[in-house]
Amino acid sequence: AQTVTQSQPEMSVQEAETVTLSCTYDTSENNYYLFWYKQPPSRQMILVIRQEAYKQQNATENRFSVNFQKAAKSFSLKISDSQLGDTAMYFCAFILGEGTYKYIFGTGTRLKVLA
Amino acid sequence: DVKVTQSSRYLVKRTGEKVFLECVQDMDHENMFWYRQDPGLGLRLIYFSYDVKMKEKGDIPEGYSVSREKKERFSLILESASTNQTSMYLCASSFVLGAGGGETQYFGPGTRLLVL
Repeated sequence: AQTVTQSQPEMSVQEAETVTLSCTYDTSENNYYLFWYKQPPSRQMILVIRQEAYKQQNATENRFSVNFQKAAKSFSLKISDSQLGDTAMYFCAFILGEGTYKYIFGTGTRLKVLA
Repeated sequence: DVKVTQSSRYLVKRTGEKVFLECVQDMDHENMFWYRQDPGLGLRLIYFSYDVKMKEKGDIPEGYSVSREKKERFSLILESASTNQTSMYLCASSFVLGAGGGETQYFGPGTRLLVL
């Protein structure tokens, strides 16, 4: 069975600094997708970044980038130049590439950006 | 932009009541999901539907049922609400990319349910 682990329940970072959120996963499959979702306080959960496992290149979206280490089964999220609006709960998620609609979510990391 | 709406943001119900949570998406997505979100447990899948009238159980279906009579609407029903069903309920939808999978999910704002 696939699992997703986020080992940091809470983190904080100063505005304008860089922070990295950790995510590890476990699977014996080769074809899968990984996601980072952001849930701001009292607001809708939205996609931050998506990574296809077959792509070696790390996905980036503006200030957000991932460090995808397939052999180590690690998928960390780096937020550069942190802004107050980045304060949110961040969830790492996994889904196999075929044969299922079932996403596996981590337990989340609550990030607070400090002014 | 994809829009996923949920019928209520906050709901207070009594133990034993039948509770309906409704979710509507406007992007013609085939897949719809109901999750429960609890602190320290992340998101847990209750049910999902891949087509009208089609549903599959998730990880925690006990005490819940669902209905999907129209493609855009997916309802979660608590047959007899209990205090341990106090939680945040999130609806999500996604389209089907095909055999490759990996579709992005789009979430509603959530319904915070309190059962007294």
